[in-house]
Amino acid sequence: GESVGLHLPTLSVQEGDNSIINCAYSNSASDYFIWYKQESGKGPQFIIDIRSNMDKRQGQRVTVLLNKTVKHLSLQIAATQPGDSAVYFCAEGGYKTDSWGKFQFGAGTQVVVTP
Amino acid sequence: DTEVTQTPKHLVMGMTNKKSLKCEQHMGHRAMYWYKQKAKKPPELMFVYSYEKLSINESVPSRFSPECPNSSLLNLHLHALQPEDSALYLCASSQARNPEAFFGQGTRLTVV
Repeated sequence: GESVGLHLPTLSVQEGDNSIINCAYSNSASDYFIWYKQESGKGPQFIIDIRSNMDKRQGQRVTVLLNKTVKHLSLQIAATQPGDSAVYFCAEGGYKTDSWGKFQFGAGTQVVVTP
Repeated sequence: DTEVTQTPKHLVMGMTNKKSLKCEQHMGHRAMYWYKQKAKKPPELMFVYSYEKLSINESVPSRFSPECPNSSLLNLHLHALQPEDSALYLCASSQARNPEAFFGQGTRLTVV
């Protein structure tokens, strides 16, 4: 079936360095691709999304890249800080009639920021 | 107010009990979601409501019964659960056709 997955289960990053988190997806019909951050004991927190008709979107300290040719999504975090330590999930979905609001999450990457 | 409030935060229930999880938002969002999350796993979509109507049921067993009594409230009624249903149950909401979902902190459910 269709699935969303991640290449790396754990990413260790030195404080101040840039982080890159990767995600592979297989449902080419998805309209949106989203990144969430989940800290321990909390619900996921929206970071940024990108529509399927775009290949790059920037936010505050974050950039999401979408490569539809190879079905790959990445999240770049600039100048990683200790507060960025969390599990990061990609998700995909959209609003087609038979799957309205159906957003499914990938496996997640644990990001650990070291001093 | 950008908060999704879930109650209770923790719940322990027996396999013959009936309980309900509650979720509330006052952001005017017309899409609401229930997810189930096991430890160290991603959230799994259970139900989606759009304008108070059920739009997605991800083949969830009937012992889970969702209800959306109005645009601010979402309930999940639980009956005859199994120990394997123990998990964190997350509620989320978003504007319709907007992928930016706001999640609550979840209800940690233990079935004994």
